[in-house]
Amino acid sequence: DTAVSQTPKYLVTQMGNDKSIKCEQNLGHDTMYWYKQDSKKFLKIMFSYNNKELIINETVPNRFSPKSPDKAHLNLHINSLELGDSAVYFCASNRDLQRQGTQYFGPGTRLLVL
Amino acid sequence: KQEVTQIPAALSVPEGENLVLNCSFTDSAIYNLQWFRQDPGKGLTSLLLIQSSQREQTSGRLNASLDKSSGRSTLYIAASQPGDSATYLCAGAPGGATNKLIFGTGTLLAVQP
Repeated sequence: DTAVSQTPKYLVTQMGNDKSIKCEQNLGHDTMYWYKQDSKKFLKIMFSYNNKELIINETVPNRFSPKSPDKAHLNLHINSLELGDSAVYFCASNRDLQRQGTQYFGPGTRLLVL
Repeated sequence: KQEVTQIPAALSVPEGENLVLNCSFTDSAIYNLQWFRQDPGKGLTSLLLIQSSQREQTSGRLNASLDKSSGRSTLYIAASQPGDSATYLCAGAPGGATNKLIFGTGTLLAVQP
């Protein structure tokens, strides 16, 4: 069984469109994250949620809006997509904020904005 | 502000060699440090996690060390195999109530058969 899953795996879209990426974890973890990996392969934190509450927003443009309907899901909606949004987006989870153990990553969503 | 650097950026070795990947971080107030492996077009696989109170962790042919005072971590791979070829990333958790990871720039490893 996949611990952290993301859909879709690939997303190709036109500039100006709105799109969503979904993430689900079946590990029973409280904390979930979105990371962005740019064209130079550098990974950077975007958001963190703990028990459905926003913990971190790393100066991400407000075109990006995460939503956590429950502890097991953290979705990412992006409005008015721009060329610079092209990247690989990774979802991750961790047990909780207090016991900071291993972070488990999803397979990534490869977004290409044309 | 925590910054994480990895040296070298790329490394090519013949099969069977032992090798060391280096990771440096600027803030010694690190909660833990993780080493990941990323294969081309794939996600990240966690290899080892070292808590701030530990000095090293071992898993099979992998050994990771942590020296907070010098701001360094190393990943030692013994008897390298072509299947070890991948990008290796280190990431530090600065602690506090955020639990985010600050990633290094990665080392691209190629093990030649």
